[in-house]
Amino acid sequence: GQQLNQSPQSMFIQEGEDVSMNCTSSSIFNTWLWYKQDPGEGPVLLIALYKAGELTSNGRLTAQFGITRKDSFLNISASIPSDVGIYFCAGQTGAGNQFYFGTGTSLTVIP
Amino acid sequence: GAVVSQHPSRVICKSGTSVKIECRSLDFQATTMFWYRQFPKQSLMLMATSNEGSKATYEQGVEKDKFLINHASLTLSTLTVTSAHPEDSSFYICSGEKTGTDTQYFGPGTRLTVL
Repeated sequence: GQQLNQSPQSMFIQEGEDVSMNCTSSSIFNTWLWYKQDPGEGPVLLIALYKAGELTSNGRLTAQFGITRKDSFLNISASIPSDVGIYFCAGQTGAGNQFYFGTGTSLTVIP
Repeated sequence: GAVVSQHPSRVICKSGTSVKIECRSLDFQATTMFWYRQFPKQSLMLMATSNEGSKATYEQGVEKDKFLINHASLTLSTLTVTSAHPEDSSFYICSGEKTGTDTQYFGPGTRLTVL
């Protein structure tokens, strides 16, 4: 199935630095979701976006639903070691429809 | 909250046997549930979409007779891997879409190893 373009594929950063990752699609989405997955576990929902232009924060995390409805970004401020993991974006074209997933961004935080 | 459980978390079976994986939404109703397969260091691959009370919709290349999905209630879906083979070894993850929202919540996954 379709996968979203997610970048960067991996990031190695120093503790305390800010992080930014984004997803783009050729399709218009009604919903954008951002997840974090730790090894051997299921993805955990971080932020959900439902409206174009919406900017939502969850602690040190901020995500935005692009105006064109074809992209979204996630920012993590002041990274800490527990931010390590794989981050996925997901987009949905409408309720009950399947979600399309990004290819993932692997984040490593160096203490 | 929106919690999804999966059982078992790990299973090891012999080739040729069948394995059933349960996915439950514990504190919400999920009209739609999804089953994914994930290979190491890769993104999630959608296997099928199931709506409560109806037959599942399988993605291209996924054998419906091998991966039997039942979604008998708004809180339970099951995936049965029939006549499992070593190539079926993988991490299987379910998710539920909370009824009335466009948000999907994942279970913790099931690691299947077929010997």
